[in-house]
Amino acid sequence: GAVVSQHPSRVICKSGTSVKIECRSLDFQATTMFWYRQFPKQSLMLMATSNEGSKATYEQGVEKDKFLINHASLTLSTLTVTSAHPEDSSFYICSAGPTGLSSYEQYFGPGTRLTVT
Amino acid sequence: AQSVAQPEDQVNVAEGNPLTVKCTYSVSGNPYLFWYVQYPNRGLQFLLKYITGDNLVKGSYGFEAEFNKSQTSFHLKKPSALVSDSALYFCAVRDDTDYKLSFGAGTTVTVRA
Repeated sequence: GAVVSQHPSRVICKSGTSVKIECRSLDFQATTMFWYRQFPKQSLMLMATSNEGSKATYEQGVEKDKFLINHASLTLSTLTVTSAHPEDSSFYICSAGPTGLSSYEQYFGPGTRLTVT
Repeated sequence: AQSVAQPEDQVNVAEGNPLTVKCTYSVSGNPYLFWYVQYPNRGLQFLLKYITGDNLVKGSYGFEAEFNKSQTSFHLKKPSALVSDSALYFCAVRDDTDYKLSFGAGTTVTVRA
């Protein structure tokens, strides 16, 4: 099946710094990738939809200036958490789906655990 | 609008017994339904999906799910649970007009030896 990787798997940063998380589709091209946030023992909350070559679409309540998304190629999307604060500590998961509305499941990355101290 | 309900936070079963994880959904168009499993500190692994056709869908690791349109349900089942099936299970839905998935709150399955 399709493989999605994330890097890093775990990151600890100091409050006020920025952190970049990469999401790659390894064996397929993804014009659309999704970024989720998951709090402990809770469901996934969609943060934004990342579209290759265009601006990301953010869900209501997600600060676009804080969570910068860049989808520069068909296999790479990045999420940058700017000026991170302890409340940004969370598990961030990306997913990618094959192109077209007739395509079905999304493939998820292994997640990135962000801890802001 | 679309939504998913997983009415049980936790399901506990003995190894070898049948396992059922419940899911109901709401969508405006035709539903595409999915089950994913998550192990601690890991991403989601795809188990199975219903798109169209036979209402009984078979997936990975011996899991299956039955699509019931009249009850808007898509319950996950396994005839004989294993201790290694202990994990967090998510049901998800999208309709045929949007890429975005909506997830249920998740059900923690514990299979005791």
